Amino acid sequence: EVQLVESGGGLVQPGRSLRLSCTTSGFTFGDNGMSWFRQAPGKGLEWVSFIRNKAYGGTANYAASVSGRFIISRDDSKSIAYLQMNSLKTEDTAVYYCSRDGRGSNINYFDSWGQGTLVTVSS
Amino acid sequence: DIQMTQSPSAMSASVGDRVTITCRASQGINNHLVWFQQKPGKVPERLIYAASSLQSGVPSRFSGSGSGTEFTLTISSLQPEDFATYYCLQHNSYPITFGQGTRLEIK
Repeated sequence: EVQLVESGGGLVQPGRSLRLSCTTSGFTFGDNGMSWFRQAPGKGLEWVSFIRNKAYGGTANYAASVSGRFIISRDDSKSIAYLQMNSLKTEDTAVYYCSRDGRGSNINYFDSWGQGTLVTVSS
Repeated sequence: DIQMTQSPSAMSASVGDRVTITCRASQGINNHLVWFQQKPGKVPERLIYAASSLQSGVPSRFSGSGSGTEFTLTISSLQPEDFATYYCLQHNSYPITFGQGTRLEIK
């Protein structure tokens, strides 16, 4: 069974940092890219970032709203994806979800999501 | 950036109704479109990928069509469990973008 579990959310002051983790199991992590999404309270879904697997160079893309502040990474030995969030702003307050993203190699993209972790940025 | 215009933003329907939701892309996205269903407090669930491929386990009353810039999600006969919010997503180019969502309510 495919499982993704986000962790690391919480209450943080503006300007501070937080690192989210997405711990996965049930599939070959190294064969898949990984994406992060978020959803602000009462709002729609927003894509945040994507990291390719090593076969595709392990490179990343970011939404303009987080580019330069957030860094996505992966540890294939642990089957974990990370989202390092720096210089947090109040508008980053949201539930953050990770999803496997096998685009380019299979059809396993956005088919499995974690339960989400809430990040609240407030003074 | 590719803008995804989803319509309607909200609608009311009855059990048994046929419902169609539309997403229009600001430029061609081939068939790189996914439809999600999200219920309150729950995680989004993929219904349709590649514009028209049904996710395993999703009832056959759900279908997707379209290519290029116009896409539709159709529910052939609404069931009580289908009342939710629906989103389209394009992944043809970065940034990946969503439609604004369609909230489907019981009439």
